[in-house]
Amino acid sequence: AQTVTQSQPEMSVQEAETVTLSCTYDTSESDYYLFWYKQPPSRQMILVIRQEAYKQQNATENRFSVNFQKAAKSFSLKISDSQLGDAAMYFCAYRSALPGTASKLTFGTGTRLQVTL
Amino acid sequence: GAGVSQTPSNKVTEKGKYVELRCDPISGHTALYWYRQSLGQGPEFLIYFQGTGAADDSGLPNDRFFAVRPEGSVSTLKIQRTERGDSAVYLCASSFLSGGGVHEQFFGPGTRLTVL
Repeated sequence: AQTVTQSQPEMSVQEAETVTLSCTYDTSESDYYLFWYKQPPSRQMILVIRQEAYKQQNATENRFSVNFQKAAKSFSLKISDSQLGDAAMYFCAYRSALPGTASKLTFGTGTRLQVTL
Repeated sequence: GAGVSQTPSNKVTEKGKYVELRCDPISGHTALYWYRQSLGQGPEFLIYFQGTGAADDSGLPNDRFFAVRPEGSVSTLKIQRTERGDSAVYLCASSFLSGGGVHEQFFGPGTRLTVL
C-alpha cells in the first residue's frame, strides 16, 4: 500500500516571501501521479499542482512549483511571493497510474500554512 | 458550470440513528468518489463508482456504511446505527474519466457529520 507523509504540521511565511512544504511518499509502483491540494476553511479541496512521475521536468503553475525527486520519493511544494490568500491547509496526495487500479487518492496529514504581514 | 454539490452542509444526529449524505457530481462525470476526513487528518478513501457500479469499496470501514449511485449521477452515502466515531467531514469528488490519464478529481464542499 502507498503512504504519504507530511512532516510539517504547521508552517508560517511572511507575505511576499517564499515557503517550501515537504512531502515524502512510499510506493513500489513506477508509474503514478502526485498532487498538491489546498483546503481553505470553506473545506473545498482545490488542486494546486500535479506531477506525472514519468516526467523529469518539475511542474510549475504561476507562483507554485514542485521539486520532484523520484529516487528519493520526495515531492515538495514551493510557494513564491506568498499572499494572504495562500493561507490554508495543504495536502500532498498520491494516485496510481497503473491500468486497472482504482483511481483513489491517498493523502498525507496536511500542513497548515499561515501567512503573516 | 456548476461544481460538485453536497447536501446537507452540516448534519447533527444522535448515536444509533441512520443518516444519508447526498452528492451531486459535475454533469457528465462518470467517476465519483467518497472520502472521509476526520479532524486534523487528510481525507481517506471510502468508495469509488464508475458509472452505476462500485468499482472499489475497499475503504468502507464496516457494514454500517453503504453507498449507491443508481442512475450513474447522484450518489448517496448511507450510514446505519451511527457512532460518535463516525463524526467527520464527508467529501465527494467526481472526475470525467477514471483509470488512465491525469483526470482531475473535483471536490465538493463536504458534509460535516456530528454524532452526539
